[in-house]
Amino acid sequence: EDQVTQSPEALRLQEGESSSLNCSYTVSGLRGLFWYRQDPGKGPEFLFTLYSAGEEKEKERLKATLTKKESFLHITAPKPEDSATYLCAVQDRGRADKLIFGTGTRLQVFP
Amino acid sequence: NAGVTQTPKFQVLKTGQSMTLQCAQDMNHEYMSWYRQDPGMGLRLIHYSVGAGITDQGEVPNGYNVSRSTTEDFPLRLLSAAPSQTSVYFCASSFSGTSGGNTGELFFGEGSRLTVL
Repeated sequence: EDQVTQSPEALRLQEGESSSLNCSYTVSGLRGLFWYRQDPGKGPEFLFTLYSAGEEKEKERLKATLTKKESFLHITAPKPEDSATYLCAVQDRGRADKLIFGTGTRLQVFP
Repeated sequence: NAGVTQTPKFQVLKTGQSMTLQCAQDMNHEYMSWYRQDPGMGLRLIHYSVGAGITDQGEVPNGYNVSRSTTEDFPLRLLSAAPSQTSVYFCASSFSGTSGGNTGELFFGEGSRLTVL
């Protein structure tokens, strides 16, 4: 059964303190792994797609990486505006009609 | 472009009442879907559609009904509301993927918060 597990559940960082969020997954054949950002009271917003092990994507202070069993979202020198819940999702090659989401990591960055 | 628009944003129902959550998108996306989000459970797929006239069930379809008569609209109907349907509901859309389904890059609405008493 396809499964996505994110850790930690919550993370508090001081502004400028770099860290990483983890997404481990089980899927029979990975079509894609996706990262989303969700602000309180809003819908998720797409960040990145990763397709194969070794791939990396960057956007401002965020960098997403992928191995055969997990993905990391690295946050370099975070700012308070990076505070949000970060969601990871996978798509199975045989089930392109759905995404399986993790429960997310709630990130708080304080000044 | 307005993107994905959901109405209402908030709704309180009594057990047994029925209602429809509306979803409209103006991006000409073929794929549309409904998710519910509950604490500690992540987003779970209720129903989805890969085009007008085509719908299918997701992981948690019981108690919900959908139809897709146009590309733009994808309403979700609660037939007889139950307290277990208290949740935040998100509509999401996408272009079709190269092998069908969606591209994985979903555009979400802002959510509809439903409470069933």
